[in-house]
Amino acid sequence: EVQLLESGGDLVHPGGSLRLSCAASGFTFTSFGFSWVRQTPEKGLEWVSTINGRNTYYAESVKGRFTISRDNSKNTLYLDMAGLRVEDTAVYYCAKGGVDTAMIIDWWGQGALVTVSP
Amino acid sequence: DIVMTQSPDSLAVSLGERATIHCRSSQSVLQSSKNKNYLTWYQQRPGQPPKLLIQWASTRDSGVPDRFSGSGSGTDFTLTISSLQAEDVAVYYCQQSYSIPLTFGGGTKVEIK
Repeated sequence: EVQLLESGGDLVHPGGSLRLSCAASGFTFTSFGFSWVRQTPEKGLEWVSTINGRNTYYAESVKGRFTISRDNSKNTLYLDMAGLRVEDTAVYYCAKGGVDTAMIIDWWGQGALVTVSP
Repeated sequence: DIVMTQSPDSLAVSLGERATIHCRSSQSVLQSSKNKNYLTWYQQRPGQPPKLLIQWASTRDSGVPDRFSGSGSGTDFTLTISSLQAEDVAVYYCQQSYSIPLTFGGGTKVEIK
């Protein structure tokens, strides 16, 4: 069974940094692309970043501050977040891309809460 | 950016009745060369992450009950639940994967009347 387990969510001050991790199991990790999607009651679901092969993509709101990466030897996806802002507060979901395209999410993790507050 | 607009924001339907949700994109998400609409529907039950229901506008994911169907092309899409069950209470989202940034609709909350 596919499992995506996020960790690293925490309370941080504005300007701080945080690393989210997503441990994957139940499928061949190297065969798929992955995304991070965040959710707030105010903005709903918001795409953050996707990694597909050697290509990475970012939302304008996080470009230059967040970095998506993966360690295929550990079956783990990462999101390094720097220069955090109050508006980055959200539940962050690790999401697995589909067979045909990384841009269609066919499995979501349970989410990690990131709170940015003074 | 492609803006995804869903309607209604919420709807209450009796058990066994039909629920219809609309999604409109600000530009076409049909890739003509592949004849595919890059439109996906997700279901998010209370306290759970989203779950894939339908991709390519009308292809149900494995294990999704056939009471769920998707239709439409270009910029206008519909998700239909033909006979609402109690476990269908959720928020439903559409998403376009035609271009970066990926964008989601605001969600439609389905409740039991």
